Amino acid sequence: AQSVTQLGSHVSVSEGALVLLRCNYSSSVPPYLFWYVQYPNQGLQLLLKYTSAATLVKGINGFEAEFKKSETSFHLTKPSAHMSDAAEYFCAVSDKGNTPLVFGKGTRLSVIA
Amino acid sequence: EADIYQTPRYLVIGTGKKITLECSQTMGHDKMYWYQQDPGMELHLIHYSYGVNSTEKGDLSSESTVSRIRTEHFPLTLESARPSHTSQYLCARALTGGFSYNEQFFGPGTRLTVL
Repeated sequence: AQSVTQLGSHVSVSEGALVLLRCNYSSSVPPYLFWYVQYPNQGLQLLLKYTSAATLVKGINGFEAEFKKSETSFHLTKPSAHMSDAAEYFCAVSDKGNTPLVFGKGTRLSVIA
Repeated sequence: EADIYQTPRYLVIGTGKKITLECSQTMGHDKMYWYQQDPGMELHLIHYSYGVNSTEKGDLSSESTVSRIRTEHFPLTLESARPSHTSQYLCARALTGGFSYNEQFFGPGTRLTVL
């Protein structure tokens, strides 16, 4: 069975500082991995995805994530936080089969001016 | 991009009423999902469908029901709304097979308040 753990339900950074949101997964097969962002009163929007091509994946809004098989991690980073990055972020894993995505519990990112 | 629509966006209703939350997509995708999410909290999968006349219950037990008579529509119904049903309901779609990667595309959500 696959699972996702997001370390830290709330992360707070200063504007301009590095953003690091952690995601560890468990999967019996090489997975597909996703990061989604959710702004208040909206649905989820895909930030980026890993599909077994390049291990460093670049997404929208300056975010990127690196797939590390040895660490079973897929952490999300952004070099310089912007106020508009404040949102809820969800990591998700797919085992490539016919089962729905498994989502982590989410990490709320706050950006302080 | 998402091409998935949910109506209404906001609904306030009294206890005991029957309600149907609409979800429709224009991409012809086979897979559709319903999630329940309290504000700022995790997503709970309540129903999903992999095609017409195919529906499955998700991880979270729900008093709601769904139907999939047409590929484009995946409505969710509550026969008798209760305050405990107050939540946000998110609908999503996903392509089957090929290079779909099981990637899900989400609608904007319906925020339901039951008084």
